[in-house]
Amino acid sequence: DAKTTQPPSMDCAEGRAANLPCNHSTISGNEYVYWYRQIHSQGPQYIIHGLKNNETNEMASLIITEDRKSSTLILPHATLRDTAVYYCIVSGSNYQLIWGAGTKLIIKP
Amino acid sequence: DTGVSQDPRHKITKRGQNVTFRCDPISEHNRLYWYRQTLGQGPEFLTYFQNEAQLEKSRLLSDRFSAERPKGSFSTLEIQRTEQGDSAMYLCASSETSYGYTFGSGTRLTVV
Repeated sequence: DAKTTQPPSMDCAEGRAANLPCNHSTISGNEYVYWYRQIHSQGPQYIIHGLKNNETNEMASLIITEDRKSSTLILPHATLRDTAVYYCIVSGSNYQLIWGAGTKLIIKP
Repeated sequence: DTGVSQDPRHKITKRGQNVTFRCDPISEHNRLYWYRQTLGQGPEFLTYFQNEAQLEKSRLLSDRFSAERPKGSFSTLEIQRTEQGDSAMYLCASSETSYGYTFGSGTRLTVV
């Protein structure tokens, strides 16, 4: 599975859009991009996934570049409860996700 | 359905003892996964079940570790002769498809 690179930490003001970048330059054609987040002391929570097209759900939007070498997770109106570690994962496996250290996102009032 | 349930939430054990954790997945999910997470790191894959069949095991899963999923419902993860290096959060997840796992809150194991 391809590796991902994420900034170790980011801040965002409450009510603003949080844009979390992820580089996955070695992604292959059959690998999906997944985003999960983990709030302190809880299990990870699935956010969104995509292959080529941009995706949106009730939690977030996922923007994947045309060459698929990077993506951005957008939380449109960040709240204090969005403070968490956000993981970007690239995987073609149907059972195994390989996780990095993620981005610690801190939402400030 | 209240999601994926793991029991116990916390376990403190002495080195050398055996421990067993239980995971109850979401009832309609036929896929079940175990992951391990140490402080400051992302989760690491341990094993995967589809129904009752254990289809994949990580090399991280030494012969002291065994997992079962009888009848394709709940799953247990047993660690024999625990070592201090086994101290971690053990996470269970389930899914209906390949995408979008639902994780439990985990079992935090401390080996003293």
